Order: sequence, then C-alpha cells, then structure tokens
Amino acid sequence: AQSVTQPDIHITVSEGASLELRCNYSYGATPYLFWYVQSPGQGLQLLLKYFSGDTLVQGIKGFEAEFKRSQSSFNLRKPSVHWSDAAEYFCAVGRINDYKLSFGAGTTVTVRA
Amino acid sequence: KAGVTQTPRYLIKTRGQQVTLSCSPISGHRSVSWYQQTPGQGLQFLFEYFSETQRNKGNFPGRFSGRQFSNSRSEMNVSTLELGDSALYLCASRQDSGANVLTFGAGSRLTVL
Repeated sequence: AQSVTQPDIHITVSEGASLELRCNYSYGATPYLFWYVQSPGQGLQLLLKYFSGDTLVQGIKGFEAEFKRSQSSFNLRKPSVHWSDAAEYFCAVGRINDYKLSFGAGTTVTVRA
Repeated sequence: KAGVTQTPRYLIKTRGQQVTLSCSPISGHRSVSWYQQTPGQGLQFLFEYFSETQRNKGNFPGRFSGRQFSNSRSEMNVSTLELGDSALYLCASRQDSGANVLTFGAGSRLTVL
C-alpha cells in the first residue's frame, strides 16, 4: 500500500525567508506525486505535480519540488515566502490507473512578519 | 470555467439523522471523488465515480454511500450519523484522461451534535 509521511507538523518561517517542506513516500513503483495547499475554510489547491521526466518541477506561486527516487522524497521549496503563504500543505501520492490519492498528515506553515 | 461546486457549504445534524451532500464537477470532467478530512485522521479517500459507476472505494462503513448522475454530478449520503462523522467532506473531479490531477471543491463542513 502506498503511504506518505510529512515529518513536520508545524513550521514557522519569517517573511522573506526560504521554506522547505519535507515529504517521504512509500510505494513500490514510480509514483505520481503532488503538493496541495489548503487555506482555512477552503478546499485543496494544486501547487505542482510530478509524473515523470525532469525531477525538479515548478509550480504555481513560486513553489518548486524535487523528486529523489533514492530517498523516496518529494520536498517542496520556496526561496522567499510571503505572508499569504501561511496555510496547510499536503503531499500526496497516487499511481497509474489508480483513482485515489493517499495524503500525508499535512504541514501547517506560519509566516511571521 | 467554473470550478467544482459543493453544496451545502455548512450543515449541522444530530446523531441518527442522515445527510446528503452534492458535488457538481468541472464541465467535461467525468470522474468525481470524495474525501473526508478530520483533524484526527486527516484526508481519507471515500469513493470515486466515473460514468455513474463506483470504481474505487475506501475503508468506510456501509453508512457512507454515493452515486453519480448522467450529467456527472455526484451525491454522497451518510446515514445514521455519528459524532465521529463530523468532518469536512471534499469532492474532487478530473478528466479521466492523461494525468490524474484532481481539482477540489471548497468542501461541505458537517457538524454532528
């Protein structure tokens, strides 16, 4: 069975500082990997996805993520956070011809002025 | 293009009652999935429908059911509500061709008293 671990429950970062959110997955074959963001009271918005090819993927809002097969990781990064980046971030894994995603527990990001 | 629309956004029920939640997918999307989000269990897959057929089901009791109509709109029903059913129920749609990219609605917040 596929699973996702987000080791950090909560991260606090200063505005303008860099951000990295960790994600480790467990899956036997090449996974489909996703990062979603959720603002309070809202649904999930897709930030970026990895299916194959270039292991460094660019997403919306200045986010990027790197797929590292050897480490079973798909960490999310942003060089300079904005106050509007405060939200909860979810890593998810899916697979070919499977129609459900397995989500990590999420990482809450707080941005301080 | 309109996004995924879920109704109602908020509702309060009492134990033992039943509830029906509605989801209108993005136009042209034929696949609709449902997820339950709670603070304790996180995001969990409920089921997925395509062309009015359930294709995949998560580990939820039979009190949770769903259906999809010919226009791809979907409903989920929870019967004999329990306090633990209080959650944000998220619907997501996708085209079911190419990439498995889910687009989520804002969710229906159910409170069971």
